[in-house]
This record gives sequence, structure tokens and C-alpha cells, in this order.
Amino acid sequence: GAVVSQHPSRVICKSGTSVKIECRSLDFQATTMFWYRQFPKKSLMLMATSNEGSKATYEQGVEKDKFLINHASLTLSTLTVTSAHPEDSSFYICSARGIITQETYEQYFGPGTRLTVT
Amino acid sequence: GNSVTQMEGPVTLSEEAFLTINCTYTATGYPSLFWYVQYPGEGLQLLLKATKADDKGSNKGFEATYRKETTSFHLEKGSVQVSDSAVYFCALNPITGGGNKLTFGTGTQLKVEL
Repeated sequence: GAVVSQHPSRVICKSGTSVKIECRSLDFQATTMFWYRQFPKKSLMLMATSNEGSKATYEQGVEKDKFLINHASLTLSTLTVTSAHPEDSSFYICSARGIITQETYEQYFGPGTRLTVT
Repeated sequence: GNSVTQMEGPVTLSEEAFLTINCTYTATGYPSLFWYVQYPGEGLQLLLKATKADDKGSNKGFEATYRKETTSFHLEKGSVQVSDSAVYFCALNPITGGGNKLTFGTGTQLKVEL
């Protein structure tokens, strides 16, 4: 149980285009989803927190107009990188938290999406 | 603020060697503590956790004990295998049961050789 999927796993796009990444909780309802960015040999940087049906809360320094987050249902959140540039190339990871067991604070992570902007 | 400090890697060990990866934290209150593992090209998997002082988390031969007096949560394994090669992240959640944001350490890469 508690499986989170991401799609696509890898994507290559041209500079100036937009890319959408999906994050799904497969066997539980995710009341909250988190989006992280990971740079090579670095830790995870939290980009934003999204709650189902409300606007995402972005971390300081993250451009909300560039990284659009939608959490339209209890099992799906999307991250859209708009007008992508090479510096947006990174590994994007989502996690989901929901009512699974009594341990409601635990986050379950997706496998990540490798974005390369050429 | 909250922070997690991990020993820098990479850590290179021979198979069957003893592993210790140090982790210390700074937080107010009584955070929950976690170790996550990331295999190459994959996302994070929860390895073990502890929610209160003196708790010992364990999984797959790995152990870590929540030491409030030293604000530490060191990861140990008695005999590592090549398949344990991965990056290990220590993390804290500052509010038990409240679902607050995780704070991660920078990660420690472990390489296990035959």
C-alpha cells in the first residue's frame, strides 16, 4: 500500500516550451502533496505544498508563475514548468500524505521525473 | 529553524563491513526522525523512523536510535551488502502527527564493494 507514481519518468523538452508532470497516489487519498527539486549530489529542496482543492503554498524563492501546481483531486497533483529553460533541468520528486493509518504525518514519495531542457 | 546535518560522503566500504552514517539535528520540540534511501535514478523510500526519544527504528538490518540528549539519529548496519549502495537521507518532521514539512540533510552516498 501507499504507492505514489509519477509520469513521465523522463522528459526532454526544448527551451521555451512547457512541461507537465503528474503525481498520483494509487491506493490512498492524498490530502496534501509536496513537490521537491533535487540537484545533482544535493538534497531535496521543497518547492511547494499543495492541498486538495486549494492553492499551493510556495517556498521562498520559488516562482509560482513558472512552476504551476494543481491539486484538483485527492489522488492527483500536477506540476507544470512553464517556458522551461536549461536551468530548470533537474530531478523533480513529489510526495503525498494522506489518511492511511494512524500515522497521518508520513509522506510517501514518487519515483521522480528527470527533466532535461535543451 | 530546523536543520539536519549529515556526514559528508561518499562512504566506501567492503561487503560485510560495519556501517555508521552520522546524523544530528536542530529542532524545537520533539520532532519525528527518519532515514530515507534513494537508489540510483529513483525516488526516496522510507527506510526507518522514530517518533520519540529512545525509540529505535529498524528495517532490513539497518537501525537508528533517537537520542534526544545528543540530538542524534545515527544510522547503523552490522554487515553491508553491495545492494545497499545508495544515497541515504536523514530527515525530521517537527510536529508529530501534524504533517508538517520534512527537513532533509544533504544525503550521504554509500558505495559497497566486493
